[in-house]
Amino acid sequence: QKEVEQDPGPLSVPEGAIVSLNCTYSNSAFQYFMWYRQYSRKGPELLMYTYSSGNKEDGRFTAQVDKSSKYISLFIRDSQPSDSATYLCAMNTGNQFYFGTGTSLTVIP
Amino acid sequence: DARVTQTPRHKVTEMGQEVTMRCQPILGHNTVFWYRQTMMQGLELLAYFRNRAPLDDSGMPKDRFSAEMPDATLATLKIQPSEPRDSAVYFCASGLDLRTGAFGYTFGSGTRLTVV
Repeated sequence: QKEVEQDPGPLSVPEGAIVSLNCTYSNSAFQYFMWYRQYSRKGPELLMYTYSSGNKEDGRFTAQVDKSSKYISLFIRDSQPSDSATYLCAMNTGNQFYFGTGTSLTVIP
Repeated sequence: DARVTQTPRHKVTEMGQEVTMRCQPILGHNTVFWYRQTMMQGLELLAYFRNRAPLDDSGMPKDRFSAEMPDATLATLKIQPSEPRDSAVYFCASGLDLRTGAFGYTFGSGTRLTVV
């Protein structure tokens, strides 16, 4: 079993929709939970991070962590065509980071 | 805007040839990572360095891959001999040691390797 599981999609939504992206994990020692966005032919870029359980909001993006269920989510409100990318979740223990395989999102104008 | 620079951006080579990929981490970052990305496996950690010392290269096939950091401004990943199954995008990322309170990496744009 992989440390981090993520549905690869693809996910296609109309502009303005609310998007929900999710990951599950198996290691209860994970401390930081991150979301990276990767545009085509580019490297991943850090979008948001959270520490431990709870919610964190940044503009149209909300990251949610439920450590009891080992489940993390990223919500995108009022999605825009520029949000079209692959979203990777990541989590760490110490300097070891574990990435999901990414969910491909397309926002249709 | 600080960034991680990787060269070359694209590389096509024949099976059996040596391939060297280079990475210039962000100035001041003391941790450097090499990842390989494929559609099937996603991002796989190959090796990482802290303060230029290799800390973990367990994800790397030792018989053909080697990673070095000859100085603080250069990290290299070498494959010799290359095989078609090595075809992937190789990313370098740099960051600060988590113990300093910083986290998350900055990725380069990757080297897209095709071995024919």
